[in-house]
Amino acid sequence: AQSVTQLGSHVSVSEGALVLLRCNYSSSVPPYLFWYVQYPNQGLQLLLKYTTGATLVKGINGFEAEFKKSETSFHLTKPSAHMSDAAEYFCAVSDRSGSEKLVFGKGTKLTVNP
Amino acid sequence: GAGVSQSPSNKVTEKGKDVELRCDPISGHTALYWYRQSLGQGLEFLIYFQGNSAPDKSGLPSDRFSAERTGGSVSTLTIQRTQQEDSAVYLCASSSNRGWAYEQYFGPGTRLTVT
Repeated sequence: AQSVTQLGSHVSVSEGALVLLRCNYSSSVPPYLFWYVQYPNQGLQLLLKYTTGATLVKGINGFEAEFKKSETSFHLTKPSAHMSDAAEYFCAVSDRSGSEKLVFGKGTKLTVNP
Repeated sequence: GAGVSQSPSNKVTEKGKDVELRCDPISGHTALYWYRQSLGQGLEFLIYFQGNSAPDKSGLPSDRFSAERTGGSVSTLTIQRTQQEDSAVYLCASSSNRGWAYEQYFGPGTRLTVT
């Protein structure tokens, strides 16, 4: 069965600083991995996804993530934080069982300080 | 184009009452998912539809929960005899096809409060 662990339920950075949100996964099959962002009182929006091919994936809003099989990780980064990046971020893995349902981590709330 | 819509946006109900939550997926999307988001449990899968059939109901927490989809479009999640632990945000998502690489588009959710 697939599972996701997000280290750090809360992360705080200064505006302009590097954003690093950590995600480790467990999967019995080659994983399909996703990062979603949720702004207050809104649904989830896909930031980026990894399926196959290039392990460095670029997404929207300047975010990127690198799939590292040896470390079972899929950390999300952004070189320079913006105030508008303040939100909750969820890492997810597709269970690839046929329903393609997503198994989510607990989420990391990102605060950006001026 | 229009995204996934859900209604109502907020629902307050008394313990023991039945509630119905509605999801309108993106037009043409064949796959539809229900998830539940709560403080204690995070985001949990409930049920998956492909067309009008539900091949994966493994996430429904009890037989008080049921869902249907009609016309390959609108879906309704019904919770009977609501309990306080049912309080959560219920999210619906749709996808254009089966296939693990397809993005799931989420609606804004229905916040259910059981008093």
